[in-house]
Amino acid sequence: DGGITQSPKYLFRKEGQNVTLSCEQNLNHDAMYWYRQDPGQGLRLIYYSQIVNDFQKGDIAEGYSVSREKKESFPLTVTSAQKNPTAFYLCASNRGWTDGYTFGSGTRLTVV
Amino acid sequence: GENVEQHPSTLSVQEGDSAVIKCTYSDSASNYFPWYKQELGKGPQLIIDIRSNVGEKKDQRIAVTLNKTAKHFSLHITETQPEDSAVYFCAAVTGNQFYFGTGTSLTVIP
Repeated sequence: DGGITQSPKYLFRKEGQNVTLSCEQNLNHDAMYWYRQDPGQGLRLIYYSQIVNDFQKGDIAEGYSVSREKKESFPLTVTSAQKNPTAFYLCASNRGWTDGYTFGSGTRLTVV
Repeated sequence: GENVEQHPSTLSVQEGDSAVIKCTYSDSASNYFPWYKQELGKGPQLIIDIRSNVGEKKDQRIAVTLNKTAKHFSLHITETQPEDSAVYFCAAVTGNQFYFGTGTSLTVIP
């Protein structure tokens, strides 16, 4: 079955470390997205990519970086510059423009 | 930019009753309105959507209505069941940008 796979499901990071969250899709979707979810704040867009080797900043890109070397993969790096990285991170994809998202199951990142 | 407001933030209903969640949006250019259901510890799943050229859409116990003039859309769940308990998010889409509401935590009491 097609879908989006995020890994790991839980991730613990020490302060000052960079960590990379994986997102892979086999839906042949062109567009991929990273969202951060905090209680009571809904979903906030971090980065998105509509085509391989191209990506744009979302509303809260500071402290994050991404790459899109393959259509299937859109990894997110949470850098030490991100002041409050503890959150639930969701990856999504769609065929583009006004098609509904397919979401992954999320990665819960905790800074210890 | 677009601003999406969602109400209520929490909702409790008795099993078998109906539940209604409302969202308002500000940008008249928004033309696609999906609804997502998120169970605890999981990613959101699309449950129903509506485009701006349609006023109502129904799928079994779930329906969505859209009032473009008033810029609001609503999710209706009839004959609620305990498995409907989850967080529900609305979204308004303008161009290629999704703008999400802050979510409604629905609890169905058996």
